[in-house]
Amino acid sequence: AQSVTQLGSHVSVSEGALVLLRCNYSSSVPPYLFWYVQYPNQGLQLLLKYTSAATLVKGINGFEAEFKKSETSFHLTKPSAHMSDAAEYFCAVRRNAGNMLTFGGGTRLMVKP
Amino acid sequence: EPEVTQTPSHQVTQMGQEVILRCVPISNHLYFYWYRQILGQKVEFLVSFYNNEISEKSEIFDDQFSVERPDGSNFTLKIRSTKLEDSAMYFCASLRDGHNYEQYFGPGTRLTVT
Repeated sequence: AQSVTQLGSHVSVSEGALVLLRCNYSSSVPPYLFWYVQYPNQGLQLLLKYTSAATLVKGINGFEAEFKKSETSFHLTKPSAHMSDAAEYFCAVRRNAGNMLTFGGGTRLMVKP
Repeated sequence: EPEVTQTPSHQVTQMGQEVILRCVPISNHLYFYWYRQILGQKVEFLVSFYNNEISEKSEIFDDQFSVERPDGSNFTLKIRSTKLEDSAMYFCASLRDGHNYEQYFGPGTRLTVT
């Protein structure tokens, strides 16, 4: 069975600082991995996805993530945080069949001026 | 850009009442999903729907829940007799096809059971 662990339920960075949100997965087969962002009172928006092509995946809003099989990780990064990046971020893994997603617990990113 | 829509945005109901949450998936999508997020907890899969039938459901999706695609555009989640623990944000999602993997989520319906 697939599972996802996000280390750190809350992360706080200063504006302009590096953003690093951690995600580790467990999967018995090569995983398909996703990062979603949820702004207050809104739905989930796809930031980026890994589907077994390039291990470094670029997404929207300057975010990227690197798939590291040896570490079973798919951490999300952004070189320079903006105030508008403040939101909750969810890592998810696609299950084997049916395409349903298993989500991590989420990480709330706070950006200080 | 096409988007998934959900109505209502907030529903308050009394325990034991039936509620229907409505979703309009993106028009050329073939797979439909419901997820829920209890306040402060993970987003959890409830059910997937393809070709007019349930393709998979979680242990949460018991006999109190049902889904329907009554016409070519709507996708509904019905809870027959709501319980306090059904209070959550319910998200609808749709997927174009089995090779795309990119689920598009609606803004959610916040269900409050009193």
